[in-house]
Amino acid sequence: ETGVTQTPRHLVMGMTNKKSLKCEQHLGHNAMYWYKQSAKKPLELMFVYNFKEQTENNSVPSRFSPECPNSSHLFLHLHTLQPEDSALYLCASSLTGTANTEAFFGQGTRLTVV
Amino acid sequence: EDQVTQSPEALRLQEGESSSLNCSYTVSGLRGLFWYRQDPGKGPEFLFTLYSAGEEKEKERLKATLTKKESFLHITAPKPEDSATYLCAVPNSGGGADGLTFGKGTHLIIQP
Repeated sequence: ETGVTQTPRHLVMGMTNKKSLKCEQHLGHNAMYWYKQSAKKPLELMFVYNFKEQTENNSVPSRFSPECPNSSHLFLHLHTLQPEDSALYLCASSLTGTANTEAFFGQGTRLTVV
Repeated sequence: EDQVTQSPEALRLQEGESSSLNCSYTVSGLRGLFWYRQDPGKGPEFLFTLYSAGEEKEKERLKATLTKKESFLHITAPKPEDSATYLCAVPNSGGGADGLTFGKGTHLIIQP
């Protein structure tokens, strides 16, 4: 148990569907992150939230829409995805948004777009 | 642009056979280097943080070291349960941006 919980663990969706990924952290952290992990590629940072404010959008397509209602919860809303968006989506949190603190990851959501 | 390169991409060892994994990095001002372990289908598990050249940290059969250009993860007398992908990461250095830049990882297999 890492203290960062992601749901669902697996998701299959069609290209016209709308779905949401959820992340919750129980560590009292103030920064939360979304990463994408595709086969044979390093983890790619997507979004950063620090004290509920989005501080980084790493040129992510608009079909991915993040939401951070409070410091403990993070969502990733998905719509009209493409098959190449199939990947493991990982949520992480850290104590602060500065880089010198360790980030702890959830178990990920394995997304398949058909 | 920050870069992290890990080698080898894959490594197969016999149980008890010690070895080292390499992580070389290019950043404008290092603010820490992180090692993670990732098992198949799971999220990365934090192992170590190193902040300055010469620093070393140990955990069971693992020891991480840091120089000004690279970090090593030494595995001593590994066991099959040490099989995993080991990831190295550095904080992004682009104008206050947060988050980590990761290497592709080293896939380690320990055979009984």
